[in-house]
Amino acid sequence: EPEVTQTPSHQVTQMGQEVILRCVPISNHLYFYWYRQILGQKVEFLVSFYNNEISEKSEIFDDQFSVERPDGSNFTLKIRSTKLEDSAMYFCASSTHRGGTEAFFGQGTRLTVV
Amino acid sequence: QQQVKQSPQSLIVQKGGISIINCAYENTAFDYFPWYQQFPGKGPALLIAIRPDVSEKKEGRFTISFNKSAKQFSLHIMDSQPGDSATYFCAASIGVWRNNNAGNMLTFGGGTRLMVKP
Repeated sequence: EPEVTQTPSHQVTQMGQEVILRCVPISNHLYFYWYRQILGQKVEFLVSFYNNEISEKSEIFDDQFSVERPDGSNFTLKIRSTKLEDSAMYFCASSTHRGGTEAFFGQGTRLTVV
Repeated sequence: QQQVKQSPQSLIVQKGGISIINCAYENTAFDYFPWYQQFPGKGPALLIAIRPDVSEKKEGRFTISFNKSAKQFSLHIMDSQPGDSATYFCAASIGVWRNNNAGNMLTFGGGTRLMVKP
């Protein structure tokens, strides 16, 4: 069964450092998403991406965040200068349809900022 | 107005029993209501979803009941099994069926941790 894969599974970084989280969406999917889940809390939307541009973003997705699809298969989330409060599980998702319908989630990257 | 409120936060059910999880929303523009199941260390996995033009959808042991006037929807798990023990999230999305290219975000409820006792 096709799946969304994310790397690394766990990343520890120092406050102020840049991190790049990587995702390989399902190959025929057209819409890509990043969500995050702070430990014990609900899943929160960060950004959606379609046709090589951001289609929607939340207020969490400020200037410290950026997304890119550099080579037609990978989908990355960059955090420029990490803060302690960026510590969370980050999930990549993809779907064939709009609106997150039948969105398939990756297993997540646990980001720990120290 | 974008919030989706989910209850209970945790639920313990005996094997074979019915698990019921409820969600309520305010924004009448929501038009897609999925439920996700999440096991520890894994990403959310789509379980079942409903559109607001139907009042119920059943897939195996899982049923969504939808009450548009009350702006509520619920997940029923019949004959609950220990393997169903997981965290369940309801979610909602806006404008899914409109014909434009924008991706739409899922707004998630707070989650329900279900434990099914053998």
